[in-house]
Amino acid sequence: SQLAEENPWALSVHEGESVTVNCSYKTSITALQWYRQKSGEGPAQLILIRSNEREKRNGRLRATLDTSSQSSSLSITATRCEDTAVYFCATVDSGGSNYKLTFGKGTLLTVTP
Amino acid sequence: EAAVTQSPRNKVAVTGGKVTLSCNQTNNHNNMYWYRQDTGHGLRLIHYSYGAGSTEKGDIPDGYKASRPSQENFSLILELATPSQTSVYFCASGGTGVQDTQYFGPGTRLLVL
Repeated sequence: SQLAEENPWALSVHEGESVTVNCSYKTSITALQWYRQKSGEGPAQLILIRSNEREKRNGRLRATLDTSSQSSSLSITATRCEDTAVYFCATVDSGGSNYKLTFGKGTLLTVTP
Repeated sequence: EAAVTQSPRNKVAVTGGKVTLSCNQTNNHNNMYWYRQDTGHGLRLIHYSYGAGSTEKGDIPDGYKASRPSQENFSLILELATPSQTSVYFCASGGTGVQDTQYFGPGTRLLVL
């Protein structure tokens, strides 16, 4: 079963609007990372939020983490066409030394002019 | 800027043939990873390595081998390629910290006929 899952699976907004992608996970985590993957490229990290943090910002991006409900969100304000991409959450499981990331299937965000 | 390169970028192979995918990183990272990405499955970890000479099984290692001859290079080997291994393969490198970023290469598109 999927250990991390984003929803919705697809979103479409107009440039300038704000958008939020949600992530739910099933394991105890040390941290959660958000990645973005543009068409034809490899994923690139946007934000890392540790298990003892509730919110993290990076420019127009804001990530939240609620360990009690095992959920996270990534919000993007003032969206641009270049924000069009697939957005993944990835969990870093606690209790191990493997430092593996478990990725969700991703949310496809389309930003139109 | 982290740099991970992969070769080849595109590959067509025949069923039963041997395929080697190569990855090189100039970040001096100890950890390297191989993922495959398929529609509906997101990114799945095949093999990873903690350093030269080490390889570890990821979540879907069957049908794949890995080799880490040096800090910079990490190969994924398909000894007997099958059509089910048609996919996009990504290599990544990262530090040893549990919260370190993974830096991804541009991907290799493999088609097994």
